[in-house]
Amino acid sequence: DTGVSQNPRHKITKRGQNVTFRCDPISEHNRLYWYRQTLGQGPEFLTYFQNEAQLEKSRLLSDRFSAERPKGSFSTLEIQRTEQGDSAMYLCASSLAFEGKKDYTFGSGTRLTVV
Amino acid sequence: KNQVEQSPQSLIILEGKNCTLQCNYTVSPFSNLRWYKQDTGRGPVSLTIMTFSENTKSNGRYTATLDADTKQSSLHITASQLSDSASYICVVSARDTGRRALTFGSGTRLQVQP
Repeated sequence: DTGVSQNPRHKITKRGQNVTFRCDPISEHNRLYWYRQTLGQGPEFLTYFQNEAQLEKSRLLSDRFSAERPKGSFSTLEIQRTEQGDSAMYLCASSLAFEGKKDYTFGSGTRLTVV
Repeated sequence: KNQVEQSPQSLIILEGKNCTLQCNYTVSPFSNLRWYKQDTGRGPVSLTIMTFSENTKSNGRYTATLDADTKQSSLHITASQLSDSASYICVVSARDTGRRALTFGSGTRLQVQP
């Protein structure tokens, strides 16, 4: 297992188009998180899954955003009718849900540019 | 409201010099504090993680300290190298409360010059 994998690494899309990103977490991790990061800022929480259940969504996640983790393994994040303000790095992280030190591992992110 | 504040926002140092980055937090109930290094265009990579009872943790030339009473942490980089140029993000974890488990600082952007 080589860690958290995100695809694509970069995506350029025209305003109004739909885009979908994929995240493959570390196989034994049951928690998966999506974050958005703009230039010069720390990551902002979007949503997280425990297994296939989406347990929490941020108010940042408007109705144009949807995330799925159908089999509790990989996850997809879809943005519909993209806007220029959606341009950001989208990071995925995974972890085990257990008491004590939680080992979060991040992917390299998908950089979205909306033109 | 849980918050993590980092200073300075950016820092330029010469190769071989030491530097210290600061992190103040108001996260409750506290679980642990992590420092991440994030290269431009990459995801964050964990450097250290400290729980309430740990005051200091080292990872090579990186040494993190934690004062849980004052809710402050620092990351000291010794004998800096050009490859240390990156953003350093302080992340504080609350005890198992779902997504609220992670509160990120905005990072300190470090530039090491030859």
